[in-house]
Amino acid sequence: QVQLQESGPGLVKPSDTLSLTCAVSGYSISSNHWWGWIRQPPGKGLEWIGYIYYSVTTYYNPSLKSRVTMSVDTSKNQFSLKLSSVTAVDTAVYYCAPFDPVEGFDPWGQGTLVTVSS
Amino acid sequence: SYELTQPPSVSVSPGQTARITCSADALPKQYAYWYQQKPGQAPVLVIYKDSERPSRIPERFSGSSSGTTVTLTISGVQAEDEADYYCQSADSSGTYVIFGGGTKLTVL
Repeated sequence: QVQLQESGPGLVKPSDTLSLTCAVSGYSISSNHWWGWIRQPPGKGLEWIGYIYYSVTTYYNPSLKSRVTMSVDTSKNQFSLKLSSVTAVDTAVYYCAPFDPVEGFDPWGQGTLVTVSS
Repeated sequence: SYELTQPPSVSVSPGQTARITCSADALPKQYAYWYQQKPGQAPVLVIYKDSERPSRIPERFSGSSSGTTVTLTISGVQAEDEADYYCQSADSSGTYVIFGGGTKLTVL
């Protein structure tokens, strides 16, 4: 059974780069899946950030594209998110999840709260 | 910009049927998915491919599609079904993921 665990700093300063990692267990990250990031500002809805496929192909939300970088580390069976030049509006719970075009995002990691504040 | 439109809230009494809609122009070309999110928890997939239900999800959850609208139906609603529900699909190219704004289901 696939399990995912997000990790990274819970507090990031404005203008800095947010960096998160999603560790995957029970499944090879080299398999046929898109690996995605989704975020949820406090009290608000879900926002897709982007996903990466086979460590090479990436698609990002157009509204975040200029600030987002995703990568895969097959040796550690994990994938990562970097979001640059953060501001308070980037404060959110960040989730990782595998995506299948037929089966959707399933399962999700537990999420990690990242607060942008000085 | 492309959007998925959901009602902000739906209320039903226990045992009744709840229907949550999600509409957008591109839905007929792309699959729709539904997620349940309870307070303080990560979302859980309850419907995929418009109307398929994961084996771990109770049979009272079902999905349907008609034209530019997909519907999540919960038959015989139980108190434990009170949650936020989000639809998700993709733009007409199938490349970019979109989430609806979410619907808060209240069990009276």
